Amino acid sequence: GEDVEQSLFLSVREGDSSVINCTYTDSSSTYLYWYKQEPGAGLQLLTYIFSNMDMKQDQRLTVLLNKKDKHLSLRIADTQTGDSAIYFCAFDTGRRALTFGSGTRLQVQP
Amino acid sequence: GAGVSQSPSNKVTEKGKDVELRCDPISGHTALYWYRQRLGQGLEFLIYFQGNSAPDKSGLPSDRFSAERTGESVSTLTIQRTQQEDSAVYLCASSQPDGLETQYFGPGTRLLVL
Repeated sequence: GEDVEQSLFLSVREGDSSVINCTYTDSSSTYLYWYKQEPGAGLQLLTYIFSNMDMKQDQRLTVLLNKKDKHLSLRIADTQTGDSAIYFCAFDTGRRALTFGSGTRLQVQP
Repeated sequence: GAGVSQSPSNKVTEKGKDVELRCDPISGHTALYWYRQRLGQGLEFLIYFQGNSAPDKSGLPSDRFSAERTGESVSTLTIQRTQQEDSAVYLCASSQPDGLETQYFGPGTRLLVL
């Protein structure tokens, strides 16, 4: 099965860039996703990348996919306090349900 | 409705009791998923419904867990004889078969078994 690893915690200052990383073992996913979870709320899809792409930019968000190293990252430019949340990478493994990483808690300090 | 809704939002129960959790998916979404999120962890897949096909129950952790779905609408997840290790947030998601099949999540039910 899929093994997904994320670092647990990241702290940045407001205005800086944040980079959240994810490594995985199964390379059969068609889409790779980033979800955001704010306290007491469900998961919100932030962005996704198709597996044949290396990069996708969406406003302040940049997703980088390195298939060779099985590494997925999410860069948030000009990080704001409202970006404080837990960020999950997720993969579709052909079973329809998604496999999630354990989440990275992003803390943005003013 | 506008999004996936779940009820109750919080449930406290005693060990050994049965609980029922409800999910209302987005109208028109044929696929429905249940996940469990333990404190500080990622999501674990529990069960998946797609239209009238047999559900994928491969993620259910024990026979105390079961789920039903009425057509392409409401789903209930039932946990019988609850144990303390069942304490978690139970999340429901729905999607439509549009290729990307983006899953839209509800706010979850926070279950605490005392």
